[in-house]
Formats: sequence, C-alpha cells, structure tokens
Amino acid sequence: AQKVTQAQTEISVVEKEDVTLDCVYETRDTTYYLFWYKQPPSGELVFLIRRNSFDEQNEISGRYSWNFQKSTSSFNFTITASQVVDSAVYFCALNRLTDKLIFGTGTRLQVFP
Amino acid sequence: DAGVIQSPRHEVTEMGQEVTLRCKPISGHNSLFWYRQTMMRGLELLIYFNNNVPIDDSGMPEDRFSAKMPNASFSTLKIQPSEPRDSAVYFCASSLERTGATQYFGPGTRLTVL
Repeated sequence: AQKVTQAQTEISVVEKEDVTLDCVYETRDTTYYLFWYKQPPSGELVFLIRRNSFDEQNEISGRYSWNFQKSTSSFNFTITASQVVDSAVYFCALNRLTDKLIFGTGTRLQVFP
Repeated sequence: DAGVIQSPRHEVTEMGQEVTLRCKPISGHNSLFWYRQTMMRGLELLIYFNNNVPIDDSGMPEDRFSAKMPNASFSTLKIQPSEPRDSAVYFCASSLERTGATQYFGPGTRLTVL
C-alpha cells in the first residue's frame, strides 16, 4: 500500500524560529518521487520541490531545506528563520511509477509576528 | 508563461443545477488531472487524462460527475445534478507526460451548492 503520513496537524511558531515539518511515506517500489506543496491562505497549491528515490542528497533553497532519508522513509521539510508569509498548509506527496499523486493530510503552519 | 487556468474561480449554485468547471492546462503538458479538496477528505484525485484520453476515473464519485478533454488545451468537469455534498474546491493540474513529473495546479474553483 502507498501512503503518506503527516502526523503534525498544526504547528505554531513565532517569527524567526526554525520549524520542521515531518513526512513519512510507505511504498514497496524502489523508484518513486516525493513532493512538497504549499497552500497559502489564498488557496492555490504551489509546488516547492520534487525528489526521486535515488537522490538522497539534502537540498537547500534559501530558507527552505529538505532532508530525505530512505532508511526511515522520511522526507522532512525545514524552514529556517520562519516568517509570517510562511503561514500556510504544507502537503507532502508521493508518486510511484504512475501519474497519481498520493497526498498527505497536510500540516498547517502558523507563524506569529 | 501562463500557468494552469481555471474558471470560474467561484461558483454558487442551487441543488439540482448543472455545474461546469473549466480548465486550460499549461501549454505542452500532456497530462491533466482533476482533484477535489474538502476538509473531511483532503485532496482526492477524481480523474486524469493523458494526451486527451481518460486514463483513470476511479476517483469520480458517481455518475453525476463527468469529465471531458476535447483537445490538448481544454478540459471540463461537469456535475449534473449538483448536490450540497459536492461543495468543495476543485483543482485542475497538468504535467508533462512522464513518470513522476511535477504536477502544476491551477488556482481552483470554489463550488458552493445550496
């Protein structure tokens, strides 16, 4: 079975704090892809990152970083020095060798000034 | 480049009425997806097309829902007759036709059925 678990339903932080959003996935496939999307209060879904199962290198993009660990089936997302504009719902998603995206239930991040 | 375009952005209708949602994918993308988002069920894939052909419609809730893609630049999702439980945000997404390709989402249509 394929599944994505985002155990943190909601996280609240104060601006400038670092925050990590957890994502754990399940799949029996050796080839798969993992994604993170952001859904701000305006409602659109914004693509953040795509990672394939053969690339375990961590990635950093500005204040955003991602830690992919196959040993623990996790693909965690860290925001450094959070800002109010980071307030959103963040979705982790899994794609096997099909076109279907399997989404987690999302983590709502609230960043307070 | 223009992203995925959806119309209308908001739709309010009465139970029993027909509703048509529209989507224009990103130019050059071969795959198109329709999703529904609700608080209770999260993001659900309803149907997707490759090269204008429906590949998997197992997520379509029932016969009241239908989707078409008459050409590479246009798709519709129709609900007839609509019911209050159809109230949700409907997203269209598109991607290149290759395994694991990134799906880019439109802004969504917020449907309210009274």
